[in-house]
Amino acid sequence: GAVVSQHPSWVICKSGTSVKIECRSLDFQATTMFWYRQFPKQSLMLMATSNEGSKATYEQGVEKDKFLINHASLTLSTLTVTSAHPEDSSFYICSARGVSGGAYETQYFGPGTRLLVL
Amino acid sequence: AQSVAQPEDQVNVAEGNPLTVKCTYSVSGNPYLFWYVQYPNRGLQFLLKYITGDNLVKGSYGFEAEFNKSQTSFHLKKPSALVSDSALYFCAVRETDSWGKLQFGAGTQVVVTP
Repeated sequence: GAVVSQHPSWVICKSGTSVKIECRSLDFQATTMFWYRQFPKQSLMLMATSNEGSKATYEQGVEKDKFLINHASLTLSTLTVTSAHPEDSSFYICSARGVSGGAYETQYFGPGTRLLVL
Repeated sequence: AQSVAQPEDQVNVAEGNPLTVKCTYSVSGNPYLFWYVQYPNRGLQFLLKYITGDNLVKGSYGFEAEFNKSQTSFHLKKPSALVSDSALYFCAVRETDSWGKLQFGAGTQVVVTP
């Protein structure tokens, strides 16, 4: 099946620093990528949707200046948490949908990135 | 607006017994329905999806799900559970005329005891 990778899998940083997370679709081209945040024992919360070559669409309540998303190619999207604070500590998961982008397409998920801000 | 309900926070089952994880949905049009499984500290793994056609969908690891339009349900089933099936299961829906986001249920923790 389709594979989505994320890097890094774990990151610990000091408060005030910025952290970049990479998401790659390894064997398919992803027109659309999604970034989710998940708190312990909770469902996934969609943060933003990004289409290759265009600006990301953020969900209500998600600060676009804090969570910078770049979808530079059909196989790579990045999420940068700027000036991270302890409340940004969470599990971040990316997801990619196939090249046709249709609603019937399966979304494949990365393994997640655990961020801990001290 | 679309929504998904997973009425059980946790399902406990003995190994070898049938496993059912319930899911009901609400959409204004026709739904595309998905099941994913999440192991601790991991992303979601795709199990199966219903797009159209046969109401019984077979997926990975011996799982299957039945689409019931009249009951707006898409319950996940496995005839004989394994201890390794213990994980968090998510049901998700997307409307067929939407190119947008999946709506996830709250998740159901499955615990399979030896």
